[in-house]
Amino acid sequence: DAGVIQSPRHEVTEMGQEVTLRCKPISGHNSLFWYRQTMMRGLELLIYFNNNVPIDDSGMPEDRFSAKMPNASFSTLKIQPSEPRDSAVYFCASSTRRVAGGQYFGPGTRLLVL
Amino acid sequence: AQTVTQSQPEMSVQEAETVTLSCTYDTSESDYYLFWYKQPPSRQMILVIRQEAYKQQNATENRFSVNFQKAAKSFSLKISDSQLGDAAMYFCAYRSALSNYQLIWGAGTKLIIKP
Repeated sequence: DAGVIQSPRHEVTEMGQEVTLRCKPISGHNSLFWYRQTMMRGLELLIYFNNNVPIDDSGMPEDRFSAKMPNASFSTLKIQPSEPRDSAVYFCASSTRRVAGGQYFGPGTRLLVL
Repeated sequence: AQTVTQSQPEMSVQEAETVTLSCTYDTSESDYYLFWYKQPPSRQMILVIRQEAYKQQNATENRFSVNFQKAAKSFSLKISDSQLGDAAMYFCAYRSALSNYQLIWGAGTKLIIKP
């Protein structure tokens, strides 16, 4: 069974450019999460979707960040325009309805904004 | 608000020996879930083991086991027969039964395996 798939694995871009990160959750999982991890702030939840609907986006840093989940098997996180302080590892995770189920993480996208 | 504390920023252990990573949490709730995640140098977060608070039996997954002390609000991870591949950051996480998504994370413990 395939795990959570993220692309690209690495992204280097210049300040001001648009960045799009992609995620395919585990089949059958109804919850999807986007996280950001930095040395300074640790792991931060950016947004949570349940059944493709955004439930909690309070962690989204600012209007430059947006996330969509058009269907149960695909989600995107977009940064426009990107800034150097956005450099981080971005994780997508998914989970099931199962009460005690943990979140299963993708390999992450390492983003560097120059 | 719930908090999770990992008091050991770094631990080291000789290969093949046993090591215990500590985690304490603060909550007023009686029903919740606890998790240990491993993050190796590849940066992928891997779910190692989970524990439901209503279960008295400690969870076990191969060489990984927990010591769950509900009254003490302690959730330690024991790794037996440590292997080089166990070297990683280990994160403890808490989830309320009232929330189906929000994880509260500890700061992590870096585990070093000495060959």
